[in-house]
Amino acid sequence: DTAVSQTPKYLVTQMGNDKSIKCEQNLGHDTMYWYKQDSKKFLKIMFSYNNKELIINETVPNRFSPKSPDKAHLNLHINSLELGDSAVYFCASSQGVIIHTEAFFGQGTRLTVV
Amino acid sequence: GNSVTQMEGPVTLSEEAFLTINCTYTATGYPSLFWYVQYPGEGLQLLLKATKADDKGSNKGFEATYRKETTSFHLEKGSVQVSDSAVYFCALNFGNEKLTFGTGTRLTIIP
Repeated sequence: DTAVSQTPKYLVTQMGNDKSIKCEQNLGHDTMYWYKQDSKKFLKIMFSYNNKELIINETVPNRFSPKSPDKAHLNLHINSLELGDSAVYFCASSQGVIIHTEAFFGQGTRLTVV
Repeated sequence: GNSVTQMEGPVTLSEEAFLTINCTYTATGYPSLFWYVQYPGEGLQLLLKATKADDKGSNKGFEATYRKETTSFHLEKGSVQVSDSAVYFCALNFGNEKLTFGTGTRLTIIP
């Protein structure tokens, strides 16, 4: 059973398009995240939701809009894609907002904008 | 702000060699410290963690000790294997749920 699953695994699209990445977790966690990993493997948090409420929103362009229909899902919609959006996007989840909790990551979605 | 600095890779070692990947942090207060590992084509997995000073995290033969005096959390393994080839990330967090990652260190073990 996959704990955190994201789709698609690979996404190639043209500049200016709008695309979505879906994420689902079956761990019963109430906190979910989106991270961006650039070509140098640097990981940076983008968003965090707890019980469908946005709790972390780093400096991310407005073209990125997360949506959490329920606490098991956190989707990422990107408008007007740009070349610099090419990266691997990781979804993750953890239980609660307590310190020391372990985050479980999905396998990543490699987005390539051409 | 909080930050994590880890040794730049790539690191290439022979099987059974001793491994050290350095990690130091800057933070106001005492964060929890983590090592995550990313195997090829996979997401990150927690390798080990330590939540307070002098704690030692260990898993799969890897160890790291939370050193408050030197603000360090170096990852060590006595005898590496080919299957340890991966990218290793040092990270910290406080109670705000946000993991701050280092830049990652790519480790390649050759037979």
